[in-house]
Amino acid sequence: LAKTTQPISMDSYEGQEVNITCSHNNIATNDYITWYQQFPSQGPRFIIQGYKTKVTNEVASLFIPADRKSSTLSLPRVSLSDTAVYYCLVAPTGTASKLTFGTGTRLQVTL
Amino acid sequence: NAGVTQTPKFRVLKTGQSMTLLCAQDMNHEYMYWYRQDPGMGLRLIHYSVGEGTTAKGEVPDGYNVSRLKKQNFLLGLESAAPSQTSVYFCASRPTGAPYGYTFGSGTRLTVV
Repeated sequence: LAKTTQPISMDSYEGQEVNITCSHNNIATNDYITWYQQFPSQGPRFIIQGYKTKVTNEVASLFIPADRKSSTLSLPRVSLSDTAVYYCLVAPTGTASKLTFGTGTRLQVTL
Repeated sequence: NAGVTQTPKFRVLKTGQSMTLLCAQDMNHEYMYWYRQDPGMGLRLIHYSVGEGTTAKGEVPDGYNVSRLKKQNFLLGLESAAPSQTSVYFCASRPTGAPYGYTFGSGTRLTVV
C-alpha cells in the first residue's frame, strides 16, 4: 500500500494560486492518484483523480510527473471558501481496493 | 438524488449500550465503507463491503460489526459501546471500476459517556 506524504498545513491569501505537493514513492503501476477535500463537520468530497500527466476540471488541476512518485494539486485563485483539509490518496485497483487517509493538508485562506 | 444518507446525525450513548448506524445509498454502488474520524486525524477504515451479502475488516474493526443484507444499505453496529468509540463516523460508497470515486455521507457524531 503506497504511503503518501504531504505538508501538514498551508496558508494563502484570497486570489492566489495554491499548489499542494504530495509524494507517493512506492506507488504501484495500477494505482490511481486522487485528491479529496473536507470541510469541518462534513464528509470528504472527491475533487480530482489522475493516472499520469495533467488533469484539469472545473475545480482544480492535477499534475503528475512521468515517474508518478509525486503529484501536485493546483487550486487557481482560491477564495475563503476553499479553506479546508485536502487529502492526497493513492487508490489501488482491484476488488479489495480501499482508500487509506492520512492527516491531509490544512489550507487556510485569508483576506 | 440523495447520494449517501446516514442516520442518525447525532447520538449520545452510555457505556455498554448498543446501537446501529444506518447508511443508505441510492446510486446502485457495489462498494460501501465505514470510516471513523477522531479529532486532528484522518479517516480510519472500520469495515467495508464489496457487494450485497459480503463484509470485510478494515484497519480498526474491533468493537464493531456490520451487515449488508441489501445492496443499498450498510449497517454498522456497536454491541457494547465504550468511550473510545466516541468519534465521527462516515459512510461512503463507490461504483465498480472507479477506485478513486467515493461518495461520502455527512457523518454521524457519536458520544459515549
